[in-house]
Amino acid sequence: EAQVTQNPRYLITVTGKKLTVTCSQNMNHEYMSWYRQDPGLGLRQIYYSMNVEVTDKGDVPEGYKVSRKEKRNFPLILESPSPNQTSLYFCASSLHRGEQYFGPGTRLTVT
Amino acid sequence: AQTVTQSQPEMSVQEAETVTLSCTYDTSESDYYLFWYKQPPSRQMILVIRQEAYKQQNATENRFSVNFQKAAKSFSLKISDSQLGDAAMYFCAYRRGDRTGTASKLTFGTGTRLQVTL
Repeated sequence: EAQVTQNPRYLITVTGKKLTVTCSQNMNHEYMSWYRQDPGLGLRQIYYSMNVEVTDKGDVPEGYKVSRKEKRNFPLILESPSPNQTSLYFCASSLHRGEQYFGPGTRLTVT
Repeated sequence: AQTVTQSQPEMSVQEAETVTLSCTYDTSESDYYLFWYKQPPSRQMILVIRQEAYKQQNATENRFSVNFQKAAKSFSLKISDSQLGDAAMYFCAYRRGDRTGTASKLTFGTGTRLQVTL
C-alpha cells in the first residue's frame, strides 16, 4: 500500500529536550516536506527536500532541522523544543508535479 | 508570493443538500495546480479533488466538483447530496507546476469547517 508514515503520532515533551519525528514514504517520491498546522493559520511549510541531500527552508524553519540521507526518509529534528512549537505536524511527499500525499500527523506538546 | 483565501470559516448544510465552498487565490504563474483537501476529526489530510490550471474543463470526482474560474482566480468546491461523512475541515491549496524549490510547497487557505445536519 502506497503511504507516508510518521512516528510518533503523539508526543509530550519538556522544553529543551531534543526530539526527532520520523517520516518515511514508499512511493519513490522525489519531493518531501514538513508542515505544521496551527488553528486559524492552515498548514505552513517548515522545510522541504527535492531529493537526497537536497534540503531547503520553507516558510517557518526557525527551531527545526531536517536531513535527507535516503530517498524514502525525511526526519524532522527539534534540537531544543520550546512551547511555541506545540503543534500538529505533517510530513508529505510527492512527485515534482501534482498532489502531495500526507502522513497521519504528529501531535506535539511542549511544556 | 502566492496566497490562498477561504473567506468562509464555517458552513452548514443539510444532509442530501448541496453546498459550495469558496476559495480565491493570487498568483502570477501560468502553470499551477489547485486542490481541495478534506481533514476529518481523525486529522488525516485527504485529497478530494485536483485541477490543473491548463485544463479548461472543471474537475469532477463523484459528488465533488469544482468551478474553476482562471481569470477571476476562483476555485470553489461543490458537494452534492451531502452526507454525514462529509463533515470536516476543507482546505483549498495551491502548488506551482515547475521544478523549482518553491514548487515543493502547497500554499493553504485557512480552511472552512463544514457541518452536516440531519
